Amino acid sequence: AQRVTQPEKLLSVFKGAPVELKCNYSYSGSPELFWYVQYSRQRLQLLLRHISRESIKGFTADLNKGETSFHLKKPFAQEEDSAMYYCALKENYGQNFVFGPGTRLSVLP
Amino acid sequence: EAQVTQNPRYLITVTGKKLTVTCSQNMNHEYMSWYRQDPGLGLRQIYYSMNVEVTDKGDVPEGYKVSRKEKRNFPLILESPSPNQTSLYFCASSYSTVNTEAFFGQGTRLTVV
Repeated sequence: AQRVTQPEKLLSVFKGAPVELKCNYSYSGSPELFWYVQYSRQRLQLLLRHISRESIKGFTADLNKGETSFHLKKPFAQEEDSAMYYCALKENYGQNFVFGPGTRLSVLP
Repeated sequence: EAQVTQNPRYLITVTGKKLTVTCSQNMNHEYMSWYRQDPGLGLRQIYYSMNVEVTDKGDVPEGYKVSRKEKRNFPLILESPSPNQTSLYFCASSYSTVNTEAFFGQGTRLTVV
């Protein structure tokens, strides 16, 4: 059973529009949630993690335990945000990383 | 420089010819993992390892083997590659503690003809 779901395979928005990439998870313990980004022809790199409650490149994500969600948001999308985004869960006892299927964000000019 | 290194970066091989993709990290990470990335399917885990001599199957382990004889290395072995294993492969590593991220290698693009 998939433990991390990202319902949108592709999300297209215009430059300057708000963007929200959805992530839901199923896990009985206390998970750690991450967002990774993969720009064209590059390796995956960490964007942000829920524990740090940080904002990176204008992106934020809040862990909602009631809805088991960790959606990624940015108020004004930029063309350079176009990339593949993966939501990931780290099991705190098994310590294994589980990735969602990814969402390709395309920001149109 | 802290990094995860995969070799080779690109490989074209023929069906049935055994191959090994190496992965090495210099951060003393306990956890290491292999993923394959395919269009429309995202990132799928093949095998992972929590420490030396401890390995476990991921979601798509069929046709692959791994070993973890030492902490820094986690090779991926394809004993008899088939065309459906043509993919982009990523290795990752991490500390096995709270609030630690996974670091990824640069990827290996494998083509099996």
